[in-house]
Amino acid sequence: DQQVKQNSPSLSVQEGRISILNCDYTNSMFDYFLWYKKYPAEGPTFLISISSIKDKNEDGRFTVFLNKSAKHLSLHIVPSQPGDSAVYFCAASAHTNAGKSTFGDGTTLTVKP
Amino acid sequence: NAGVTQTPKFRVLKTGQSMTLLCAQDMNHEYMYWYRQDPGMGLRLIHYSVGEGTTAKGEVPDGYNVSRLKKQNFLLGLESAAPSQTSVYFCASSYGQGREQYFGPGTRLTVT
Repeated sequence: DQQVKQNSPSLSVQEGRISILNCDYTNSMFDYFLWYKKYPAEGPTFLISISSIKDKNEDGRFTVFLNKSAKHLSLHIVPSQPGDSAVYFCAASAHTNAGKSTFGDGTTLTVKP
Repeated sequence: NAGVTQTPKFRVLKTGQSMTLLCAQDMNHEYMYWYRQDPGMGLRLIHYSVGEGTTAKGEVPDGYNVSRLKKQNFLLGLESAAPSQTSVYFCASSYGQGREQYFGPGTRLTVT
């Protein structure tokens, strides 16, 4: 049973437009959510996070939205840039779970110039 | 400040051979993790540690062992490698429970 799902394996957008990456989760105990970005042949790097007490968090061009009732979060990138082309992983953790994060399978974002 | 480093970067093993992957972090983080990533899949947790001298099983622990004798180091061992263990292995560390993790560059392991 996959507790964190990214249903879109890939997404392609034009430079300057908005990229929206989606993530669904099933475990209602999750209370902290993170997005990571991964370039080929590198380790993932942390991008942005959100606590379950919030419904939105912004950091520059990146905004994460959390809808707890729908168990859904999304990452918005505005405007998208070619350098944003990477694999994006959604992750979730519960404070009762010893700091472990559960990762989705990732969405490959391609931003076309 | 090197962050998280992993040794080696690449390795080819024959079935039945053993090896140890080394992870080191210089951020004084309490939490450390070992993941594997297979093509088209996310990161699956193998083992983790919540502090020096502690280890615990993750989602896919079979065939692996770990040790955390020093706070800055987390070792992953394969006692008898199998082709199913061909994967990319990532180590990560974190300052707090459930908080953002800092990843190493990965070790690409092939078992023939």
